[in-house]
Parts: sequence; structure tokens; C-alpha cells
Amino acid sequence: DQQVKQNSPSLSVQEGRISILNCDYTNSMFDYFLWYKKYPAEGPTFLISISSIKDKNEDGRFTVFLNKSAKHLSLHIVPSQPGDSAVYFCAARSNSNSGYALNFGKGTSLLVTP
Amino acid sequence: DSGVTQTPKHLITATGQRVTLRCSPRSGDLSVYWYQQSLDQGLQFLIQYYNGEERAKGNILERFSAQQFPDLHSELNLSSLELGDSALYFCASSALVVSDTQYFGPGTRLTVL
Repeated sequence: DQQVKQNSPSLSVQEGRISILNCDYTNSMFDYFLWYKKYPAEGPTFLISISSIKDKNEDGRFTVFLNKSAKHLSLHIVPSQPGDSAVYFCAARSNSNSGYALNFGKGTSLLVTP
Repeated sequence: DSGVTQTPKHLITATGQRVTLRCSPRSGDLSVYWYQQSLDQGLQFLIQYYNGEERAKGNILERFSAQQFPDLHSELNLSSLELGDSALYFCASSALVVSDTQYFGPGTRLTVL
């Protein structure tokens, strides 16, 4: 059962505009959320995270928003750059019986066009 | 470069065979995680080791096993391989048993023919 869902497999945005990647989760035990970026032939690279006690975290061009009541988080990239083109994975961590492993969504492929 | 290394990069084998994937965590990291990424799937957590001991188990098949050695490197053993085991296998590491961030290696692509 997929507990973390990224319902948009792909997204195309023009350079300079905002990219918004969405993620929904079902498990209320999740207490920490992360976004990873992945280029082809490489492992996922940590991008930004947010604790469940916050509703926003910002790091440069990247901002993550968390809406706990809706079990929804989003990643905003402003302004988008061609180098941001990659697959973005949303992940969530819980301290349930599966330990502190990460539960990943299937990813959203972002293409930023010049 | 995350500092996590995985070998081999690619592995091609036949059904019924056994393979071993190797992972060296970042310097100082005590926790190692293994994930599987199949076609069109997100990363699925398999197993976690911390300082040599198994700490958490996910959707790991009985045909699969892992261990972490005293030098903290880890090996994932896959046996009686099936076509459906073809996937990318990632190793990640973190400093503590509960860490905010896991750092991923480049992965091993396993192809079972």
C-alpha cells in the first residue's frame, strides 16, 4: 500500500517561473518529511525537509509547505532553472514498527525549459 | 558525491543465481539502509542496520538477507533470483539510528535474465 503519493508523474515549467510539486500521505504517524532530487544514473540527493511541528521551511529557492490536516505537502522552486530538471521524490519518516526508514513516493519528473 | 559507495555499478545474472551487493557508508555514519527501486516504483525500504545490528525491516523477501560488518560496510545478498528482482538497489547511510537525513549511494543496477 502506497502511503506516500505523488500523483503527477511529470511537470514541465518555463525557466524563471515557479515549479510546484505535490505530495500526499496517508499515515498520520509520519513526523518528518523530506524531498530528494535524483538525476539519471545517480542516487537521490537530499534537498530539503520539514518537521511535522512546522508548516513551512525555506532554503534559498526551495520552500516546502506542510498541511497536516490535509496530509499534503508541496515543494516550491522559485525561480526554476534548467539545472533543476530531475526526478523529485517526496519521502516521509515515521517511528512506527518499520523503524525510522523512509517511505517514498514514486517521484515527479520535472523539466525546466529555457 | 554523497560519500556513500556501492559496488558493483551494474550486475547481470541469470534466474536462480545468487549475488552480493556491497555498500560503504559515509565516514562516521553508523546506520545503513537498503532500498529497492523497481520499474515505475518509488524506492521501497528493505532493511536497516545500525552499528552491526539489524534495526528495522521493511518489505524484504526471505530470499534476501543483509549484514553489516565491524568496519561498518554492508552487504545485501540476493538468492534464487527471479526476473522480478531486476531493479536498482540503493544503499543509504546516516550518522545515528534516528537521523533526519539519509545520504544515498549511486546504486547498483541488477538485471536478471
